[in-house]
Amino acid sequence: GAGVSQSPRYKVAKRGQDVALRCDPISGHVSLFWYQQALGQGPEFLTYFQNEAQLDKSGLPSDRFFAERPEGSVSTLKIQRTQQEDSAVYLCASSLMRQGKNEQYFGPGTRLTVT
Amino acid sequence: GENVGLHLPTLSVQEGDNSIINCAYSNSASDYFIWYKQESGKGPQFIIDIRSNMDKRQGQRVTVLLNKTVKHLSLQIAATQPGDSAVYFCADGQAGTALIFGKGTTLSVSS
Repeated sequence: GAGVSQSPRYKVAKRGQDVALRCDPISGHVSLFWYQQALGQGPEFLTYFQNEAQLDKSGLPSDRFFAERPEGSVSTLKIQRTQQEDSAVYLCASSLMRQGKNEQYFGPGTRLTVT
Repeated sequence: GENVGLHLPTLSVQEGDNSIINCAYSNSASDYFIWYKQESGKGPQFIIDIRSNMDKRQGQRVTVLLNKTVKHLSLQIAATQPGDSAVYFCADGQAGTALIFGKGTTLSVSS
């Protein structure tokens, strides 16, 4: 079946521009996570949704980062006034959260380069 | 902060050998762990998970061992193949929360 999809796959932004990254989770998955992965590092948590509710945004690095999931399915991560340190791969994952297991399935990521 | 880590950043093996990738964690309350495989340009791919009430779990060509006494887990890959070349991450995955990843081990398989 269809997995998690993300778009665009690659994004180049000039410093100061706003960007919007999209995530389409696996159908029926109630939980959705955003992670940031710097080169050579493991993914780091940004924010978490259960259906349309944003339950945890403790990982967002600044108030320039904003995420939404208005209908409990597709999610958008928005970064305002991008900075060079925002360059990274942004990963989205979804999960059924069944039987207490946190089995998350990841999309291919969006590679953001800020010049 | 980070509470999972891997002992070695790189591991090189010959095709057909068994590979062992190690991971240490620090949170004694952690009760669920996942191993992921990440190939270049792709997102992490779920390999196998294990709950803290188990010491061992087997999948297809993979085995995860969990030693709660020393807070250590390992991923064993049998008969390693070139297609196994990737970065492997262990992750602390307590239900309902974000996964906490270590830095990863790059596995290189030569034929």
